Amino acid sequence: GAGVSQSPSNKVTEKGKDVELRCDPISGHTALYWYRQSLGQGLEFLIYFQGNSAPDKSGLPSDRFSAERTGGSVSTLTIQRTQQEDSAVYLCASSRLAGELSYNEQFFGPGTRLTVL
Amino acid sequence: EDQVTQSPEALRLQEGESSSLNCSYTVSGLRGLFWYRQDPGKGPEFLFTLYSAGEEKEKERLKATLTKKESFLHITAPKPEDSATYLCAVQAWTSSASKIIFGSGTRLSIRP
Repeated sequence: GAGVSQSPSNKVTEKGKDVELRCDPISGHTALYWYRQSLGQGLEFLIYFQGNSAPDKSGLPSDRFSAERTGGSVSTLTIQRTQQEDSAVYLCASSRLAGELSYNEQFFGPGTRLTVL
Repeated sequence: EDQVTQSPEALRLQEGESSSLNCSYTVSGLRGLFWYRQDPGKGPEFLFTLYSAGEEKEKERLKATLTKKESFLHITAPKPEDSATYLCAVQAWTSSASKIIFGSGTRLSIRP
């Protein structure tokens, strides 16, 4: 596709439910990132994939958060037993570069706005 | 602790009124500094990467500069369409891997 796409664009859920967020990166981009952006805050790094591997999971806030990537393309971020503090915009980005250089020139999707009631 | 601080939080300018946005950082092992533009309801859009002190990059009315402690995003004769939140991010090297740290952004508003 022309850009990074994310679905759903909005998700409202009840506290304690599980949610799954999807990211389709730009075709051919090997690096994929998940971030969280809370109101008035900067982007908080969650996890980074190079291909299907996640060399850096240090940003995941708790063991309720997990992510996977298959076929070097689509990625899903799963939040189990959601809490109200999980409410935020979840952004996905991809980069065609590899390794350390992949932090450069990230292309972001429009994000998924998650609201936990 | 690695940190990225942007100032001011918000800036309102008249069309044509030039100014600068600041991004100060304290990180170990700087690998690169990035500027992004974010419009409401959208993901950030990449603008520049700077790697070393003294480096400058330009794009239309924007110029980014880098020193050992901070970066500036200079906006010359801005237009209303330059209104957006500008984000600064730093790629830093830790003991075993790189990490990326974003600032909270500067909300820029240009009045016609």
